[in-house]
Amino acid sequence: TAGITQAPTSQILAAGRSMTLRCTQDMRHNAMYWYRQDLGLGLRLIHYSNTAGTTGKGEVPDGYSVSRANTDDFPLTLASAVPSQTSVYFCASKQYAGAMTGELFFGEGSRLTVL
Amino acid sequence: KNQVEQSPQSLIILEGKNCTLQCNYTVSPFSNLRWYKQDTGRGPVSLTIMTFSENTKSNGRYTATLDADTKQSSLHITASQLSDSASYICVVSATGNTPLVFGKGTRLSVIA
Repeated sequence: TAGITQAPTSQILAAGRSMTLRCTQDMRHNAMYWYRQDLGLGLRLIHYSNTAGTTGKGEVPDGYSVSRANTDDFPLTLASAVPSQTSVYFCASKQYAGAMTGELFFGEGSRLTVL
Repeated sequence: KNQVEQSPQSLIILEGKNCTLQCNYTVSPFSNLRWYKQDTGRGPVSLTIMTFSENTKSNGRYTATLDADTKQSSLHITASQLSDSASYICVVSATGNTPLVFGKGTRLSVIA
């Protein structure tokens, strides 16, 4: 089973350019999330979507935007990349946002380097 | 402030040996605690999830314990294998629709 698919796997981007990281899940999960993982820090939530058509800001939303046009897709866009956005980005999903013990599934990550 | 602290930061053990990883948290009100395994270059994969009423849960050679009174959890790995080499991340959830709080992880290296 595919689960969560992220693309691209890695990307080098010039500062000031825009970039969209793609995330698709085939589990029909309602809730989806974007995290960034940096050395020496725990995973930090960027944006989330509890259900198709809704989005919300996480802990570190500045410089990022998301959309949730349907259940399966949750793209993350950097409108004008800066070097501090160099990170590994993980998309995750859960069946229901309100299910406290619901398992959170992660994609394999997208490594982004902004020069 | 809700925080999750993990120790040690890194650990090297011989294949076949046991080890225990620690997680202390200040997240309140507590809902559940999860342990994830993250192989290098991969996404985290869930090992266990424990609620307030559970004080131990096993998944093969992995056993997690939870003491909700002292706000501590441990992950014990028995008879370690080379494939156990990974980062182990403790994640705590508060009640309500609040973001999960992630620890920085413990980097475990199992050597032959």
